[in-house]
Amino acid sequence: GQNIDQPTEMTATEGAIVQINCTYQTSGFNGLFWYQQHAGEAPTFLSYNVLDGLEEKGRFSSFLSRSKGYSYLLLKELQMKDSASYLCASMDSNYQLIWGAGTKLIIKP
Amino acid sequence: GAVVSQHPSWVICKSGTSVKIECRSLDFQATTMFWYRQFPKQSLMLMATSNEGSKATYEQGVEKDKFLINHASLTLSTLTVTSAHPEDSSFYICSARGGHTEAFFGQGTRLTVV
Repeated sequence: GQNIDQPTEMTATEGAIVQINCTYQTSGFNGLFWYQQHAGEAPTFLSYNVLDGLEEKGRFSSFLSRSKGYSYLLLKELQMKDSASYLCASMDSNYQLIWGAGTKLIIKP
Repeated sequence: GAVVSQHPSWVICKSGTSVKIECRSLDFQATTMFWYRQFPKQSLMLMATSNEGSKATYEQGVEKDKFLINHASLTLSTLTVTSAHPEDSSFYICSARGGHTEAFFGQGTRLTVV
């Protein structure tokens, strides 16, 4: 079957680092996406990993291990505006996205 | 990134009427468009996938006669909610993909049926 798991909610402090984990089981795996979604808005693209390793983009980095079916999104120097839901999605062999339920990230001052 | 424009952003309609939502890719040709529905505090749920010029493929449990999808050109797809009922009230989001790997999302449409 196809399955995506990520924590429901996480809390972190402004200026700190937080890692959001995602595990997946996807047939014909074609890559792993991370999207950010603020309340009431559509998701915005953050990252795409298809090869093992870490991809860094400014304060955000994303990691993938295909053999373990595991990814994480790392957010550094947290800002209050980073409070949002972070959606993990894997792409299957038909190029369709299978979505996780999202991780609500709460940033505290 | 590429721009996808969705219209309207919000709409209120009476029960029994139909509502059309448009999704346009402004600066790329969208060979595939996806329509999602999202209930409060829940994840995106794929409703259907449409490829330009062909019939949409609907996910299990989604009524194709109720949610009419048209993808007549490489830059426009429409979702029509026919005979809307209060339980159809939701956030509807389209996304489009052309030659890119990632899908770009429209702004979403909040539908309220009264």
